[in-house]
Amino acid sequence: EAGVTQFPSHSVIEKGQTVTLRCDPISGHDNLYWYRRVMGKEIKFLLHFVKESKQDESGMPNNRFLAERTGGTYSTLKVQPAELEDSGVYFCASSLGTELYGYTFGSGTRLTVV
Amino acid sequence: GQSLEQPSEVTAVEGAIVQINCTYQTSGFYGLSWYQQHDGGAPTFLSYNALDGLEETGRFSSFLSRSDSYGYLLLQELQMKDSASYFCAVRDLKSWGKFQFGAGTQVVVTP
Repeated sequence: EAGVTQFPSHSVIEKGQTVTLRCDPISGHDNLYWYRRVMGKEIKFLLHFVKESKQDESGMPNNRFLAERTGGTYSTLKVQPAELEDSGVYFCASSLGTELYGYTFGSGTRLTVV
Repeated sequence: GQSLEQPSEVTAVEGAIVQINCTYQTSGFYGLSWYQQHDGGAPTFLSYNALDGLEETGRFSSFLSRSDSYGYLLLQELQMKDSASYFCAVRDLKSWGKFQFGAGTQVVVTP
């Protein structure tokens, strides 16, 4: 089965521009998560979708970040306008249910804002 | 809130044993998970401890002591391919989809 796919793998944009990251979860996984790792620090939770609904978006840093999951399949994360501090690796993960041990991550999108 | 502390880097030679400690402070606890991430790759689930004690999976073992709020990941017979970042993580009791991760430990294996 295909894993969690993220696109693009790398993105370099200028401050003030807009970037949209995409995540395709494992087929059939209702749960989709976005995480971010900034500057070698911890991997931090951004939000959690159950199908197309936002279950928890407590980790979204501010209103420049917009996540969507129309139709409950793939998800997008838009940053508009991007700031320097948004640079980092954005990870997506998915799970079928409430597996206590964790879920399957994608390889991430490395975002650099210059 | 929750916080997890782990060393930033560990260096060891091939064939050696490395122990990565993780101390945590949580308001509640489902268990301690460990992930491995190679540079540019996806974090990959390694191990999970729900109960106190040792869990062994091949060359890797994980240990948990709830009374000490402490766990560790033990990497044995180190190989060059074990060079990666290792993260401990706990699940948020109030939001089951949310994991709290440590900052990661970079393991460098030298010949």
